[in-house]
Amino acid sequence: DIQMTQSPSSLSAGVGDRVTITCRASQNISRYLNWYQQKAGKSPKVLTYAASTLQSGVPSRFSGSGSGTDFTLTISSLQPEDFATYFCQQSYSTPYSFGQGTILEIK
Amino acid sequence: QVQLQESGPGLVKPSETLSLTCNVSGGSFSSYYYHWIRQPPGKGLEWIGYSSYTGRSNYSPSLKSRVTISVDTAKNQFSLRLTSVTAADTAIYYCAREVIGYCDSPGCLKTYNWFDPWGQGSLVTVSS
Repeated sequence: DIQMTQSPSSLSAGVGDRVTITCRASQNISRYLNWYQQKAGKSPKVLTYAASTLQSGVPSRFSGSGSGTDFTLTISSLQPEDFATYFCQQSYSTPYSFGQGTILEIK
Repeated sequence: QVQLQESGPGLVKPSETLSLTCNVSGGSFSSYYYHWIRQPPGKGLEWIGYSSYTGRSNYSPSLKSRVTISVDTAKNQFSLRLTSVTAADTAIYYCAREVIGYCDSPGCLKTYNWFDPWGQGSLVTVSS
């Protein structure tokens, strides 16, 4: 099974800050990596898929990069609505697996 | 646009069977894979398994002995059954559709897929 490890587990940042979240896979998953945003009390929503393709309707301040085992999600200029929990997920092989999540909090 | 909605009991007794249904509306039911994913309160996401619209299924090895996911194409619904539940099965259960995306390699060994949309989630508590 493929293990996904995110860092950091939590992060405090301010509006306008640039933020980067990292996700590492336990084996090569090429670009089969998706990022999701989950706001409190809501279900997750996809932000990027195939490592770097932005889902339709997602603001361009979000970007994904990486391949192989190391991936990043970057928010170029944090907005108030971006404070949430972020998860990575590998779609390379079943059982599909998620990172443990990164809680992004307001500083 | 397509919407998914979970339904089922919010309380299940230990050793009994958890049953949830996900209704799919507003779009085509065929040509997709339908998944169940759970999240213990305050914790991360765990993939449970999927069924294709043709009924082909695949389950997490950690739950395989207790899980059944089935589809009802006539009703545009799919269901989850989890037997012999314990307190460790207390979680928010989400249904989600797997979008079959694109290939960017010659021969297309595997498409890029992702979960979209998700249902709003159904909290199931296992307690006597």
